[in-house]
Amino acid sequence: GAVVSQHPSWVICKSGTSVKIECRSLDFQATTMFWYRQFPKQSLMLMATSNEGSKATYEQGVEKDKFLINHASLTLSTLTVTSAHPEDSSFYICSALPLAGGWEQYFGPGTRLTVT
Amino acid sequence: QKEVEQDPGPLSVPEGAIVSLNCTYSNSAFQYFMWYRQYSRKGPELLMYTYSSGNKEDGRFTAQVDKSSKYISLFIRDSQPSDSATYLCAISRNSGNTPLVFGKGTRLSVIA
Repeated sequence: GAVVSQHPSWVICKSGTSVKIECRSLDFQATTMFWYRQFPKQSLMLMATSNEGSKATYEQGVEKDKFLINHASLTLSTLTVTSAHPEDSSFYICSALPLAGGWEQYFGPGTRLTVT
Repeated sequence: QKEVEQDPGPLSVPEGAIVSLNCTYSNSAFQYFMWYRQYSRKGPELLMYTYSSGNKEDGRFTAQVDKSSKYISLFIRDSQPSDSATYLCAISRNSGNTPLVFGKGTRLSVIA
């Protein structure tokens, strides 16, 4: 149980285009989903916290107009990287917190974004 | 000062060795301490979780928290090549709807 999926697992896009990444909780409902970014040999850095039906809360230094987060249902959150640039190339990981309670966040497998 | 400091390694040990991984943190408000294992290009998976100070053991893994020193450790006994991964410590102020603060991760290689 407690499986989180991400789609796509790897995406290559051209500079200036937008890319959407999906995060789904497959066998549970999630009140809250977190989006992290991880550069090579670096740690996971929280980008934003999203709660179903409300606006996401972004961490300091993360541009909310560039990284659009939508959490339209209890099983799906999306991150759209708008007007992507090579410096946005990174590993994006989501995690989900079950509606049923508990403290543990369940992580997705990550999405590798390469902007050329 | 970063909230969590972790030596990124890499750390290379022979099979069967005892591995010691460590993190320090700066804010005494943190109450929850976790260790995650991350294989290359995969999401992290939870290994151990402790609340406040003390030890916790699970098979070959032991997690220790010393809140007075703001120091957390993960010990791996009888290390196996399959333990080769990046190990990340993570801390949190509260349980539940609270973001995790991760260390940089330590890359471990266990050589057969």
